[in-house]
Amino acid sequence: AQKVTQAQTEISVVEKEDVTLDCVYETRDTTYYLFWYKQPPSGELVFLIRRNSFDEQNEISGRYSWNFQKSTSSFNFTITASQVVDSAVYFCALSEALLYNQGGKLIFGQGTELSVKP
Amino acid sequence: EAGVTQFPSHSVIEKGQTVTLRCDPISGHDNLYWYRRVMGKEIKFLLHFVKESKQDESGMPNNRFLAERTGGTYSTLKVQPAELEDSGVYFCASSQVRTSYNEQFFGPGTRLTVL
Repeated sequence: AQKVTQAQTEISVVEKEDVTLDCVYETRDTTYYLFWYKQPPSGELVFLIRRNSFDEQNEISGRYSWNFQKSTSSFNFTITASQVVDSAVYFCALSEALLYNQGGKLIFGQGTELSVKP
Repeated sequence: EAGVTQFPSHSVIEKGQTVTLRCDPISGHDNLYWYRRVMGKEIKFLLHFVKESKQDESGMPNNRFLAERTGGTYSTLKVQPAELEDSGVYFCASSQVRTSYNEQFFGPGTRLTVL
């Protein structure tokens, strides 16, 4: 069965601190996709990144970086020099890769609520 | 380009009443999904449409929930009769069929409160 675990329920940091959000997943599929979504106070889910299971390169986008390690089934997300606007709930998700582009469901973790204080 | 829209944004009803949630996907997106987040827990999949057909409804909790997507455009999710445990935020998402990586675009959600 597929499962995503975000062990950190809440994290509180002070502005400019670096923070890492952990994500551990379980799947029997050899091909799959991993995602991070951000849910700001306004409520919508904002797509941040997608990574497929064959691409273990780490990715950096501005202050955001992602560390994908198949050996430990982890896909961790780091925010460098956090800002108050980063305060949100962050969700990690897993999706199987279907052959005929049928679009599989997303399996979400419980979410990590990040609070960045000024 | 308009994103995924959901209506209403909030709904407060009493136990036993009926509520219908609506989702309008991004134009041209054949995949439409419903998800639900209950009381700070994980977001859980409910069902998936490809055009007007139900591709996967394995997440529907029980027969009090009825989803439709007539004509393959907007979708409705009806809860009848509503129970207290149905309270939560209901998200709709859509994606294009012709992408291998299934990037789903989410709506703002409908917050349902059953009293």
